[in-house]
Amino acid sequence: DIQMTQSPSSLSASVGDRVTITCQASQDINKYLNWYQQRPGKAPKLLIYDASNLETGVPSRFSGSGSGTDFTFTISSLQPEDIATYYCQHYDNLPPTFGGGTKVEIK
Amino acid sequence: EVQLVESGGGLIQPGGSLRLSCEASGVTVSRNYMSWVRQAPGKGLEWVSLIYSGGSTYYADSVKGRFTISRDNLKNILYLQMNSLRAEDTAVYYCARDLSRYHDIWGQGTLVTVSS
Repeated sequence: DIQMTQSPSSLSASVGDRVTITCQASQDINKYLNWYQQRPGKAPKLLIYDASNLETGVPSRFSGSGSGTDFTFTISSLQPEDIATYYCQHYDNLPPTFGGGTKVEIK
Repeated sequence: EVQLVESGGGLIQPGGSLRLSCEASGVTVSRNYMSWVRQAPGKGLEWVSLIYSGGSTYYADSVKGRFTISRDNLKNILYLQMNSLRAEDTAVYYCARDLSRYHDIWGQGTLVTVSS
């Protein structure tokens, strides 16, 4: 199985800050990397698919980049409603594994 | 409105069985790839099982031989039959639609607690 290493596991930033999360795959996964947001007590929500494609309706302050084994997720200007845990997931093959998550808090 | 609604969770003793349901509206289960994903309390997400529109099924090694994914095309419901349940199966179980290679629609989840 492909292992997904996500970092950091948590971060604290101020409103308006730029936030970056990284995800590294244990082998080449092409572009098949997704990012999900999970607010407390809620189901995950798809934000970015295929590394850099913004899901319909998701604010443009969210973005993703990368290919192969190294990927980055960015919130360009952190907002209070972005408080959540963010997960990367590869879907290059089965099983589609998730990273350990990054908990984002407001400083 | 596109919606997935899970049900069937609850408290079950180790070794017991439970069947989860995922009722779909606005999306046809039989025409889509559908997955189950779970989340143990305070932990991350774990993919559990997938059924293709053609009917092929796939499972995580942790549940292979114990869980069975299926669907009722007439009722538009996705199922997860869980047998020989263990404490480590305790989790919120989500159903999700797989569009290409990502889960674009998720249900709200149903909690399964395996405990004596």
